[in-house]
Amino acid sequence: ETGVTQTPRHLVMGMTNKKSLKCEQHLGHNAMYWYKQSAKKPLELMFVYSLEERVENNSVPSRFSPECPNSSHLFLHLHTLQPEDSALYLCASSPLYVIQGANTGELFFGEGSRLTVL
Amino acid sequence: DAKTTQPPSMDCAEGRAANLPCNHSTISGNEYVYWYRQIHSQGPQYIIHGLKNNETNEMASLIITEDRKSSTLILPHATLRDTAVYYCIVRGRGTNFGNEKLTFGTGTRLTIIP
Repeated sequence: ETGVTQTPRHLVMGMTNKKSLKCEQHLGHNAMYWYKQSAKKPLELMFVYSLEERVENNSVPSRFSPECPNSSHLFLHLHTLQPEDSALYLCASSPLYVIQGANTGELFFGEGSRLTVL
Repeated sequence: DAKTTQPPSMDCAEGRAANLPCNHSTISGNEYVYWYRQIHSQGPQYIIHGLKNNETNEMASLIITEDRKSSTLILPHATLRDTAVYYCIVRGRGTNFGNEKLTFGTGTRLTIIP
């Protein structure tokens, strides 16, 4: 249990569906991240939010739309996806800074949402 | 782009020490070395981190060379549950992580052999 909760854990959707992935953390972190992990590929950073503002959009197609309504919640809205978007989507959170003696600066990852697009 | 290089795979006998190397020759003075591992289809898990001194915790030891251009993660008594992909990454100290494009490389796939 990392303190980062992702729902749903598994999602199957058609290419015309609209769905959302949800991530929640109550660790007091102010940075949140979406990563994508396709089969046998490294983790790909998609989006970064710092203090609820998007600071990184890593050339992600517009069919993926993130939302960070507050520091504890992060969403990834999915619309008109393609089969190649099938992957494990991982959410993570971290403090903004390493503070010696107070935190390790590590990323806390959720268990991921496994998405299958038919 | 990842700032580290690791061997793609390693095997280790159960009960022996697993030594995983990482090269980070372009590391700057304000960057930490972090190690994570990912067990199949789960989110990556933090293991340990260090700046320039060797570090040890309940999971592992981290040995950083004096010039800080490489490090070794040591799992002292490997078990079958240590089979995973191990990632070595660098992160800035004093950097707003929200502004940091933190990327993971391909890591080392460690297989513990019974």
